[in-house]
Amino acid sequence: DAGITQSPRHKVTETGTPVTLRCHQTENHRYMYWYRQDPGHGLRLIHYSYGVKDTDKGEVSDGYSVSRSKTEDFLLTLESATSSQTSVYFCAISELEVGTEAFFGQGTRLTVV
Amino acid sequence: GQQVMQIPQYQHVQEGEDFTTYCNSSTTLSNIQWYKQRPGGHPVFLIQLVKSGEVKKQKRLTFQFGEAKKNSSLHITATQTTDVGTYFCADRNAGNNRKLIWGLGTSLAVNP
Repeated sequence: DAGITQSPRHKVTETGTPVTLRCHQTENHRYMYWYRQDPGHGLRLIHYSYGVKDTDKGEVSDGYSVSRSKTEDFLLTLESATSSQTSVYFCAISELEVGTEAFFGQGTRLTVV
Repeated sequence: GQQVMQIPQYQHVQEGEDFTTYCNSSTTLSNIQWYKQRPGGHPVFLIQLVKSGEVKKQKRLTFQFGEAKKNSSLHITATQTTDVGTYFCADRNAGNNRKLIWGLGTSLAVNP
């Protein structure tokens, strides 16, 4: 497996609290992605990064922000968590833009109560 | 907009039976990737198809790209319980090469 680690793996938080999920890679890949996965919706892109400090929105970015200050770390922040953000979150990396395989982290199961 | 549709959504087979999932689009597909996600796991890359009519095999798995590049398929011969999981296809976003457009996946259950 590629060197990609998500933390935490599980988290329960209360509505209205901020939450930060971390994705760390040791592959020196340029591209990093945050997806959420919900039953019936497949994988939906939240935000992605194409370099340090270079990020862009995906299809479900409302309520989420990201930061990438180092090549190896990509942080996803829920500014004020809501129950609709209860989901499994996956980070993915790829060496080049689309055309090479994406490697996924183990996922973070987030529950907002 | 660009969409990738996968059918069926679910498939339940007896061990030893064959299985096929299809990935269809109304627009021309470009770089089709297939991933497998085991229950409770994360998606894992299986293969990429880029050429019209391309056929690739991985042991019991056969991947095809349609001649018109409007569809792709994954066929598993003689399913085993280890094939259980959800199979996703994804295509390059025509408007933004950095993103993938994902199908909703086909969930395969195999009865031993």
